[in-house]
Amino acid sequence: GQNIDQPTEMTATEGAIVQINCTYQTSGFNGLFWYQQHAGEAPTFLSYNVLDGLEEKGRFSSFLSRSKGYSYLLLKELQMKDSASYLCAVRDDKIIFGKGTRLHILP
Amino acid sequence: DSGVTQTPKHLITATGQRVTLRCSPRSGDLSVYWYQQSLDQGLQFLIQYYNGEERAKGNILERFSAQQFPDLHSELNLSSLELGDSALYFCASAKKGGAYEQYFGPGTRLTVT
Repeated sequence: GQNIDQPTEMTATEGAIVQINCTYQTSGFNGLFWYQQHAGEAPTFLSYNVLDGLEEKGRFSSFLSRSKGYSYLLLKELQMKDSASYLCAVRDDKIIFGKGTRLHILP
Repeated sequence: DSGVTQTPKHLITATGQRVTLRCSPRSGDLSVYWYQQSLDQGLQFLIQYYNGEERAKGNILERFSAQQFPDLHSELNLSSLELGDSALYFCASAKKGGAYEQYFGPGTRLTVT
């Protein structure tokens, strides 16, 4: 079956680093995405991984291991505005989203 | 502002009714995706159109249908509405059929009473 798992909630402190994990089991794989979604708003694109390894984009980095069905999103120098849900999604012949990780940032 | 527009922003209707949600993609984008987001189910992919043709289908109910018109705008039709259809419906667009970066519209909040 198709399954994407990520923690429901995480809490971190302003200025710190947090890693949000995502594991997936899908029939095919054509890429993994991370989206950020603030409450009541539309998701916004953060990153895309299709090959194994780390992709860095400013304060955000995303890692993929296809053999392990595993990805993580790393957020550095956390800011209060990073409080949001982070959605992991896998594309095979369609797009499957995880239920999201709600990240709380404490001052 | 992603450049994707959706109308209406809010919609309240009764069970058994039919509604149409509209989406205009960003200028130059050929793909349109429809998603349903409810509190307990997360973001569910419904259907994708690319340049007027259906490209991929997700968990779309038979009571739901969609199309993409020659001007590339898309409509999602929901019929025989049930209470469980209450959700936020997002449209997203992308340049190509397999493009990875999707731009989401602000969503239509549907409430079925």
